[in-house]
Amino acid sequence: KQEVTQIPAALSVPEGENLVLNCSFTDSAIYNLQWFRQDPGKGLTSLLLIQSSQREQTSGRLNASLDKSSGRSTLYIAASQPGDSATYLCAVVPNGSSNTGKLIFGQGTTLQVKP
Amino acid sequence: KAGVTQTPRYLIKTRGQQVTLSCSPISGHRSVSWYQQTPGQGLQFLFEYFSETQRNKGNFPGRFSGRQFSNSRSEMNVSTLELGDSALYLCASSSDGTVYGYTFGSGTRLTVV
Repeated sequence: KQEVTQIPAALSVPEGENLVLNCSFTDSAIYNLQWFRQDPGKGLTSLLLIQSSQREQTSGRLNASLDKSSGRSTLYIAASQPGDSATYLCAVVPNGSSNTGKLIFGQGTTLQVKP
Repeated sequence: KAGVTQTPRYLIKTRGQQVTLSCSPISGHRSVSWYQQTPGQGLQFLFEYFSETQRNKGNFPGRFSGRQFSNSRSEMNVSTLELGDSALYLCASSSDGTVYGYTFGSGTRLTVV
């Protein structure tokens, strides 16, 4: 059974700091891994999608890596800003026809960036 | 390109009633998945529809059901509401439900009193 874990659960950093959020998963048989951001009471905003055959993706100040063999992904945020404060979620779609459409989420990392 | 639209945004219902939530996916997307989000359980998968067929289902009681129409719009129904059904319900659309990633709607906040 696929399980996704995110560490740390919460993080508080001063503005301008570079930071890394961690995500681990127990089964490497995945279609893809996706990072999302969620603001309080809102829906999920997709940040980066890494397909199974890829190693990393970049968008602006964000960089996500994927190492399937070790079951790990990291989300790197450069030069953090107060507007980055949110909960960050990683999710995987396990391989197999019985898993289509089924994202397995971690519990999230709540980030606070202080001005 | 319009995103995923969920209606209504907020709902307050009484225990024992039923409720129907709606989700319009991104144009061209044929897969729609539904999730329940609560503070204690996080995000939990309810079910997925693809081309009007339920392909996958999570571990929720039969009171939770859904359907998908020929235009890919999807509805989720919860019958005999319980207090514990209070949650944020999110739907996500994808072109295929596997490799191409998901786009989420803003959610429907359901409160059962």
